[in-house]
Amino acid sequence: EPEVTQTPSHQVTQMGQEVILRCVPISNHLYFYWYRQILGQKVEFLVSFYNNEISEKSEIFDDQFSVERPDGSNFTLKIRSTKLEDSAMYFCASSETLMNTGELFFGEGSRLTVL
Amino acid sequence: AQSVTQLGSHVSVSEGALVLLRCNYSSSVPPYLFWYVQYPNQGLQLLLKYTSAATLVKGINGFEAEFKKSETSFHLTKPSAHMSDAAEYFCAVSDLMSGTYKYIFGTGTRLKVLA
Repeated sequence: EPEVTQTPSHQVTQMGQEVILRCVPISNHLYFYWYRQILGQKVEFLVSFYNNEISEKSEIFDDQFSVERPDGSNFTLKIRSTKLEDSAMYFCASSETLMNTGELFFGEGSRLTVL
Repeated sequence: AQSVTQLGSHVSVSEGALVLLRCNYSSSVPPYLFWYVQYPNQGLQLLLKYTSAATLVKGINGFEAEFKKSETSFHLTKPSAHMSDAAEYFCAVSDLMSGTYKYIFGTGTRLKVLA
């Protein structure tokens, strides 16, 4: 069964360092997303991406963050100059359609720990 | 803006007992609603979704949810809990107001099943 895969599963980094989280969406999907879940809190929308550009981004997704689809298969989230409060589980998701009823398929998440 | 409230961050039930996880939404237009499950160290898996068809929605693993517009609720139920149901459950609403496919999640309910 096709699935969304994310790497790394866990990354520990020092405050101020740059981090790249990688995702391989399901191959025929066209819409890609990043969500974040700080420990004990709700899953929050960060950004959606379609046709090689950002469709929508949340207030959380400021200049510290960027997304890219560098090679037609990977979808990356870059976090520059990481802060302690960036520690969270980051979920990548993809969907086949633009329809609101479309199911989002989530990866297993990348846990980021900023020290 | 749409929002989702899940009452009870932790719910414990005995094996074989009824599972009831509560979700209330805030929306001025008919929403699309979802329940996702997250097993330990795994990603988010869709349990079921309401898309304005039948108000009683059946999902995987014996779960079902009923959309009640008058109560703005979408509670998740299962007649008989199984040990394997222990997980975290998230209710989500699709944000229709801005015409996006962004999902807004509740804070989650951790279900514990007692032997």
